Amino acid sequence: EVQLVQSGAEVKKPGESLKISCKGSGYSFTSYWIGWVRQMPGKGLEWMGIIYPGDSDTRYSPSFQGQVTISADKSISTAYLQWSSLKASDTAMYYCARLYSSRIFDYWGQGTLVTVSS
Amino acid sequence: QSALTQPRSVSGSPGQSVTISCTGTSSDVGGYNYVSWYQQHPGKAPKLMIYDVSKRPSGVPDRFSGSKSGNTASLTISGLQAEDEADYYCCSYAGSYTFYWVFGGGTKLTVL
Repeated sequence: EVQLVQSGAEVKKPGESLKISCKGSGYSFTSYWIGWVRQMPGKGLEWMGIIYPGDSDTRYSPSFQGQVTISADKSISTAYLQWSSLKASDTAMYYCARLYSSRIFDYWGQGTLVTVSS
Repeated sequence: QSALTQPRSVSGSPGQSVTISCTGTSSDVGGYNYVSWYQQHPGKAPKLMIYDVSKRPSGVPDRFSGSKSGNTASLTISGLQAEDEADYYCCSYAGSYTFYWVFGGGTKLTVL
């Protein structure tokens, strides 16, 4: 069974750094892109970027380029999303999702809620 | 790249049919047959309901169907059931030169 399990909720202060994770199981982790999607409170879904764990090839949405860093550790089947300096506007639910056939987000993690508040 | 345009809300009674539209441009919806639809219940992760415009993943009831005409894709839910009440998002591949996806703003389906 394909599963993506994300790390738990985080509460941070503006300016702090953060790295959240997404662990894949039940499939060949290195053979599928993993994407990250943001959902701000009460809002819709926004595609942030994707990574191919097999070789760490990474692509970003122009809206998120330079704002976050996506990485992966294939040895532990885990993808990451990180911020170097959080802002209040980063408060959102973040989902990871497997990209099937390079075009379909078929399996999703349960989401990680990030709250940034002073 | 702007978000795809969906109606904010639609509603229908049990047993009826509803259609949710998703309008983009020739650079996304109109340019590729890679439109997908996701259902999201409150507090839950999105779930894939339709991919490649009209294909259903295993386990998704055949009450859910998708289509596309020009720059507009549509999701139709027939025989509405109470559990269909959720938010629905369309998504289109839009990557001319690199990977890129764009989502719709979401539609709240209310089953009356």
